[in-house]
Amino acid sequence: GAVVSQHPSRVICKSGTSVKIECRSLDFQATTMFWYRQFPKQSLMLMATSNEGSKATYEQGVEKDKFLINHASLTLSTLTVTSAHPEDSSFYICSAREQGAVLSSYNSPLHFGNGTRLTVT
Amino acid sequence: QKEVEQNSGPLSVPEGAIASLNCTYSDRGSQSFFWYRQYSGKSPELIMFIYSNGDKEDGRFTAQLNKASQYVSLLIRDSQPSDSATYLCAVLYRAGGTSYGKLTFGQGTILTVHP
Repeated sequence: GAVVSQHPSRVICKSGTSVKIECRSLDFQATTMFWYRQFPKQSLMLMATSNEGSKATYEQGVEKDKFLINHASLTLSTLTVTSAHPEDSSFYICSAREQGAVLSSYNSPLHFGNGTRLTVT
Repeated sequence: QKEVEQNSGPLSVPEGAIASLNCTYSDRGSQSFFWYRQYSGKSPELIMFIYSNGDKEDGRFTAQLNKASQYVSLLIRDSQPSDSATYLCAVLYRAGGTSYGKLTFGQGTILTVHP
């Protein structure tokens, strides 16, 4: 099955520093990747939609200058949390849509990474 | 604003019983519906998806969709302690375009299956 690798799985950084999270599709090409954030005991909230070769589309309330997204190839998207603060501590999850995939009766076109636990001290 | 609503629970059922999880959504244009299971500290894993009215069965799981009532449910038969997790309902709104695959999640229902 399709695998999405997310790295790192866990990171601790100091306030004011930047952190880069990578999301790779290992055995398929991902036209679109989605970045989610999940605070404790809350659901996944979509942050942005990333399309290969174009600018990301951010959801309302998400600062694009703070959460930099780059989708330079069909297998890699990165999320950089710039000037991180303790309130950015969260679980970040990427999801990839397989190129050309459509929803059918036997598969889903979406594949999730294992998430990155970010702690800002 | 498109909304997906779930009862946050917790829902507690004895081992071997049927667990019933419910979800409602606000946008009648919704296309497809997904149920994910999420263990603490882990990423969601897909259990089932459904896009036609009626029931869809897969092993111990049955998804039910009623588009007229804007309601989707998940039944877990013969519940096991290993089923204890948070169950997330997700809705896919757009069937095409560059945002295809954009899911909106409910807040999740915590399920506890006790021996």
